[in-house]
Amino acid sequence: TQLLEQSPQFLSIQEGENLTVYCNSSSVFSSLQWYRQEPGEGPVLLVTVVTGGEVKKLKRLTFQFGDARKDSSLHITAAQTGDTGLYLCAGDGVGYKLSFGAGTTVTVRA
Amino acid sequence: GAGVSQSPSNKVTEKGKDVELRCDPISGHTALYWYRQRLGQGLEFLIYFQGNSAPDKSGLPSDRFSAERTGESVSTLTIQRTQQEDSAVYLCAGRQLRNSPLHFGNGTRLTVT
Repeated sequence: TQLLEQSPQFLSIQEGENLTVYCNSSSVFSSLQWYRQEPGEGPVLLVTVVTGGEVKKLKRLTFQFGDARKDSSLHITAAQTGDTGLYLCAGDGVGYKLSFGAGTTVTVRA
Repeated sequence: GAGVSQSPSNKVTEKGKDVELRCDPISGHTALYWYRQRLGQGLEFLIYFQGNSAPDKSGLPSDRFSAERTGESVSTLTIQRTQQEDSAVYLCAGRQLRNSPLHFGNGTRLTVT
């Protein structure tokens, strides 16, 4: 059973469209991180959210952390082909353990 | 080096053989993590180290898997009597503090034939 549930599992959109990826859990996290992974490489951090209700923007990417610190979303505006990749959310739980969701594979078509 | 180094980058082994995977994290990253990633899937937690001790080994799939870390730096993940289902990419990552980002290596792609 995955501690963090990500949806959708796959997303294929046309360049210029918007998309949203969700990360949900029944557990409370002290922080939640979003990573992007490209083939043959390790995941790279996009953002860390710490405060319940927090919204962070990174150019065309908007990240929200739920008020109860159990869920988060990633919204991409006007997607580009360079946004293609595997998006992973990860939550900091007890101690130093960091658990990952199963990931959302995003494909942006030209 | 500046980043996390994992070796080998690729390993092909025969079923039943033992393999050892190595991770050299960024200096000063006291927490070190091992994850397994099957093709097209997310990251499966295996084990993490805080310094040289491993507070959480709950993710190791069986007693064929073991890991150690020495000198708060290099870590090795050993898989004994490999099976075909062990085929995956094994990723190592480190970080300094809780809630700080993980810095990943590029992984070791293990193929068991």
